[in-house]
Amino acid sequence: NAGVTQTPKFRILKIGQSMTLQCTQDMNHNYMYWYRQDPGMGLKLIYYSVGAGITDKGEVPNGYNVSRSTTEDFPLRLELAAPSQTSVYFCASRPDGNTEAFFGQGTRLTVV
Amino acid sequence: AQTVTQSQPEMSVQEAETVTLSCTYDTSESDYYLFWYKQPPSRQMILVIRQEAYKQQNATENRFSVNFQKAAKSFSLKISDSQLGDAAMYFCAYRPPPSGGGADGLTFGKGTHLIIQP
Repeated sequence: NAGVTQTPKFRILKIGQSMTLQCTQDMNHNYMYWYRQDPGMGLKLIYYSVGAGITDKGEVPNGYNVSRSTTEDFPLRLELAAPSQTSVYFCASRPDGNTEAFFGQGTRLTVV
Repeated sequence: AQTVTQSQPEMSVQEAETVTLSCTYDTSESDYYLFWYKQPPSRQMILVIRQEAYKQQNATENRFSVNFQKAAKSFSLKISDSQLGDAAMYFCAYRPPPSGGGADGLTFGKGTHLIIQP
């Protein structure tokens, strides 16, 4: 059981470049999330989705976009990378009901 | 908006001793969920323990237990018989009820770095 898979694990971007962070889960979970973790801080919610075709903003959505065309995939798009987006990005999913979230291994992104 | 505060940036404990990590939170909801996550150097987020606010009984998972004080909005984690493998960052997190307003998802504290002295 692969769980939540994020790609890539590491990436360096130049200012102004674009990229998509991929997230896939094989547990048929409806709920999916994107978080970012800055150094010395806890995770902050960027976007979330409660099912295919439904997405909503979290605490820090500026500079990001998401889509949810399938239950399995929840990609995060950075259109114009900025140094402030240097962070570790985590994708997570959970099933319906009040249960724990399962996290991917994270993507370390550096914008230079 | 909900906030989660962890006032101890770093804690140190001798192996086999007991340590308590503090967490307070702010919410206007009466039903919600609280979690402690462990993050070792591998970066993986690992669920340690979960507490439902409607349950008065404190959650326990082997050597890990919580002291949940709903009126005080306090949710501390006690680790008994500390082991070298317990060394990690520990994050307290809050999740609102499904029917509550605002974003679904977890609100995290800034974390406590736990050091285990051999």
